[in-house]
Amino acid sequence: GQNIDQPTEMTATEGAIVQINCTYQTSGFNGLFWYQQHAGEAPTFLSYNVLDGLEEKGRFSSFLSRSKGYSYLLLKELQMKDSASYLCAVPDSNYQLIWGAGTKLIIKP
Amino acid sequence: VTQTPKFRVLKTGQSMTLLCAQDMNHEYMYWYRQDPGLGLRQIYYSMNVEVTDKGDVPEGYKVSRKEKRNFPLILESPSPNQTSLYFCASSPTEMQPQHFGDGTRLSIL
Repeated sequence: GQNIDQPTEMTATEGAIVQINCTYQTSGFNGLFWYQQHAGEAPTFLSYNVLDGLEEKGRFSSFLSRSKGYSYLLLKELQMKDSASYLCAVPDSNYQLIWGAGTKLIIKP
Repeated sequence: VTQTPKFRVLKTGQSMTLLCAQDMNHEYMYWYRQDPGLGLRQIYYSMNVEVTDKGDVPEGYKVSRKEKRNFPLILESPSPNQTSLYFCASSPTEMQPQHFGDGTRLSIL
């Protein structure tokens, strides 16, 4: 079956770097999505990885290793507004997204 | 993506329709529920007008897609275990990022 694991909560300091990991098990692979969700708000798209390697997009980067079933989201120069939950999701065999429970990131001054 | 209402409190068995409309001409639309510690779980999705399919947790829900822009979620006889935060989303294709509405918080007493 499908399974996605993410840490429940992480804490980091403003200005620092944090890495949020996601491991997944799927019967096939059709890419991996990262979304950001501020408390009480809708999820918003951050990145989509389908090939191995690191993709950089400003302060945020996402890495994928298909052989290891592993991805991470790297956030640099953390700002207070980055306090949010980060959701990892992979498509199932019907191309419908299976979501991780999310990682709540707390940024401290 | 516009969801209405934003909040609603219902009594058990009091039927309710959650509305969702998108103005991006997207083919795909989705309904999710989000509960603490469980992440987003798909209820139903639609690939086009008059084409819908069950997600992971369809019990107790119905949907229809009579027009491309609207995808209502119907709770005919709600029970307390359907108390949740409901999100509607849409995407151009199944493998492109989903755009989420602001959510409907539903409490069933």
